[in-house]
Amino acid sequence: QVTLRESGPALVKPTQTLTLTCTFSGFSLSTSGMCVSWIRQPPGKALEWLARIDWDDDKYYSTSLKTRLTISKDTSKNQVVLTMTNMDPVDTATYYCARTMVRGVIMVSIDYWGQGTLVTVSS
Amino acid sequence: QSALTQPASVSGSPGQSITISCTGTSSDVGGYNYVSWYQQHPGKAPKLMIYDVSNRPSGVSNRFSGSKSGNTASLTISGLQAEDEADYYCSSYTSSSSYVFGTGTKVTVL
Repeated sequence: QVTLRESGPALVKPTQTLTLTCTFSGFSLSTSGMCVSWIRQPPGKALEWLARIDWDDDKYYSTSLKTRLTISKDTSKNQVVLTMTNMDPVDTATYYCARTMVRGVIMVSIDYWGQGTLVTVSS
Repeated sequence: QSALTQPASVSGSPGQSITISCTGTSSDVGGYNYVSWYQQHPGKAPKLMIYDVSNRPSGVSNRFSGSKSGNTASLTISGLQAEDEADYYCSSYTSSSSYVFGTGTKVTVL
């Protein structure tokens, strides 16, 4: 079955760079049509899509956060990594990775989610 | 990209039907038939309930249905049950090649 698990620091200081790793199983990012996204959710607030990486290494980013985000994959390890620079307290959130369904390049839906990891930004 | 607009809360009694709206623009909801709906219980990850406006993934109850008219999509829950109490989010692909979620709706079963 498909599973995803996020890992990374629970606490980062302002201005630091956050690096999160998504380790997944049950599918391969070398398979045509497979993609992984990162989504975050501040406490008590709505979901926000951050970035997506496709099987062919195409990458897509949130317009508002594009300058701070980098997404990459290691197909051999079944991992996707997200880095976010210049962290701020407003970036405190639960960060989810999720398998993403596409039609061509169009993102259609998210069918499997990880459990999420809470990242707090504080000095 | 602005979040899609949803009502903050919707409530209903067991057995009733409720509808949650999701309003966007012609650059997202109105421009593509790629609206999805997610259910999220407290402390849990979201769960896909509807994709492609009105399709249910395998295992999702047929009490959940979706539709769209113009720039507004809707999720209807019929035969409301206690287990349906959760937060619901709509989402859509956008013309800027990104993905946007709604503001979220808290469903309360009275």
